[in-house]
Amino acid sequence: DQQVKQNSPSLSVQEGRISILNCDYTNSMFDYFLWYKKYPAEGPTFLISISSIKDKNEDGRFTVFLNKSAKHLSLHIVPSQPGDSAVYFCAARNSNAGNNRKLIWGLGTSLAVNP
Amino acid sequence: DTAVSQTPKYLVTQMGNDKSIKCEQNLGHDTMYWYKQDSKKFLKIMFSYNNKELIINETVPNRFSPKSPDKAHLNLHINSLELGDSAVYFCASSQGAISNQPQHFGDGTRLSIL
Repeated sequence: DQQVKQNSPSLSVQEGRISILNCDYTNSMFDYFLWYKKYPAEGPTFLISISSIKDKNEDGRFTVFLNKSAKHLSLHIVPSQPGDSAVYFCAARNSNAGNNRKLIWGLGTSLAVNP
Repeated sequence: DTAVSQTPKYLVTQMGNDKSIKCEQNLGHDTMYWYKQDSKKFLKIMFSYNNKELIINETVPNRFSPKSPDKAHLNLHINSLELGDSAVYFCASSQGAISNQPQHFGDGTRLSIL
């Protein structure tokens, strides 16, 4: 039972355009969401996060939008650069789960930004 | 000065052997984790330690035994390796088990069972 879903395994975008990566979740108790970026043969690297009390968080070229009623979040990258080519993971947690605040991960979306 | 370092990076061994993977972090974090990423690229937590105490212990065969000698180290020992143990194992750390501080990952240990 996958509680965090990234339904697009891959996405290809032209350099300079917008990349939109989507993530859906099923557990309404999730209240904190993170995006990680992963290059081949490396570990995931934290990119940006959002709390459920917000609907948008921006950091430079990266913006995360949260739609709680739809249980959906998206990561926007503008403008996209070739160095953004990587696998992007969405992760979620229930902050009220005490010590069991484990992150639940999506399967990732592989983004290719073409020059 | 790698923040989270795992050794070895690659591990190829025979079924039935016992092996260990080591992890060290120099970020001063108090919480460490072991994740398994299987062939379907699904990243799943196995264990978490906070200040050397086990706080998350997922449904993992007891052939897997984590050990945290201090806050900066979390090792993973695996007994009687099986084919299904082939995966990439990631170590991570964060500050605070119940805070929203992001986790920092090592580069993974690629375990292949022959």
